[in-house]
Amino acid sequence: QQPVQSPQAVILREGEDAVINCSSSKALYSVHWYRQKHGEAPVFLMILLKGGEQKGHEKISASFNEKKQQSSLYLTASQLSYSGTYFCGTQWGDNTDKLIFGTGTRLQVFP
Amino acid sequence: DAGVTQSPTHLIKTRGQQVTLRCSPKSGHDTVSWYQQALGQGPQFIFQYYEEEERQRGNFPDRFSGHQFPNYSSELNVNALLLGDSALYLCASSRFRGYGYTFGSGTRLTVV
Repeated sequence: QQPVQSPQAVILREGEDAVINCSSSKALYSVHWYRQKHGEAPVFLMILLKGGEQKGHEKISASFNEKKQQSSLYLTASQLSYSGTYFCGTQWGDNTDKLIFGTGTRLQVFP
Repeated sequence: DAGVTQSPTHLIKTRGQQVTLRCSPKSGHDTVSWYQQALGQGPQFIFQYYEEEERQRGNFPDRFSGHQFPNYSSELNVNALLLGDSALYLCASSRFRGYGYTFGSGTRLTVV
């Protein structure tokens, strides 16, 4: 029941845009997005709640489609610092439920 | 403001041994979750502690156990270590009914 992310990997030039998708087989309460750089801990980017709005963080934003049980992460005008592996994390019950991470998407941004 | 602190950072154990990993949550956080991350994989949920009780558990055998102390810090114990237990163990803290987890830098466990 692990969320499935697509694509598995993305290669970009600086300034290009990317979209990362996260799909769940169960109805979602919330979707979290994290970025993990090599050898480091995952860092919280944002959270989207059932019935909530699209949230943004600088040039990174996300959407949450409750009907499709999907979330998408949008990276606009990518920077070198955006490189890393992106994970979505999902909660199905409420905000006390365990956070289950997706399969991950590796993003590499080149000059 | 200190974030999540984990110790030790690296550990090498022999198959069959037991190991204890420690975690101090971020100030203001009362809930601790433990994850196992194999190389190139996403973090796998082990269990979550709140009010010194195990609240939720993932698909891990009973060899994996934990504890939370009154100061919210936590320990992860693994008995009868297997080679397959080699991984990065991450501790994440949060506020119960809050939003967003803060992760520690992890403990890299190698079982030989």
